[in-house]
Amino acid sequence: NAGVMQNPRHLVRRRGQEARLRCSPMKGHSHVYWYRQLPEEGLKFMVYLQKENIIDESGMPKERFSAEFPKEGPSILRIQQVVRGDSAAYFCASSPEGQVLRKQYFGPGTRLTVT
Amino acid sequence: AQSVSQHNHHVILSEAASLELGCNYSYGGTVNLFWYVQYPGQHLQLLLKYFSGDPLVKGIKGFEAEFIKSKFSFNLRKPSVQWSDTAEYFCAVNARRDDKIIFGKGTRLHILP
Repeated sequence: NAGVMQNPRHLVRRRGQEARLRCSPMKGHSHVYWYRQLPEEGLKFMVYLQKENIIDESGMPKERFSAEFPKEGPSILRIQQVVRGDSAAYFCASSPEGQVLRKQYFGPGTRLTVT
Repeated sequence: AQSVSQHNHHVILSEAASLELGCNYSYGGTVNLFWYVQYPGQHLQLLLKYFSGDPLVKGIKGFEAEFIKSKFSFNLRKPSVQWSDTAEYFCAVNARRDDKIIFGKGTRLHILP
């Protein structure tokens, strides 16, 4: 059973471009969480999604950021018009149900660099 | 809102030394508590967790943590560290009423051989 997959592992974008980060949850997992880790910071919750639904987006910046988890395919975190401050490691985690009593399995992360 | 505070950003120890990493959280309700570890170049992994019951929790690789409710603390301990314990350690809390995990800023542990 493959773990949580994220791609790309490294992404370089110029200011103003769009960044698309993909997360494929573990087989059988229908819940995905996105976290951002800024330099010298811990992981900060961004958004929690179930298939085709956003459950909690309280950690998402109000502008330029969006997330989806379609019925088929990976979850996508999209950042429009990137700025230098978006440079960070973005991690996703998946779980088989909404309660964190089932532990979240983390992916390897995507390191975004904005030049 | 919940928050997690880890007392040390960097810790350097020699092999065989004892380890204690501090973690305090702020939240008035019932919580689940976690310690995660990220070895260099690897994924974040769960080290141990507390949901209920015995406040002394044993995890993988000889780690343990004690939940002290009155102090809002969940410190991580290991009696004798090894070079392979070099990693970054994150304390995290989840309020039972929701599904978010709130992480601390992490502690980088460096073990000298």
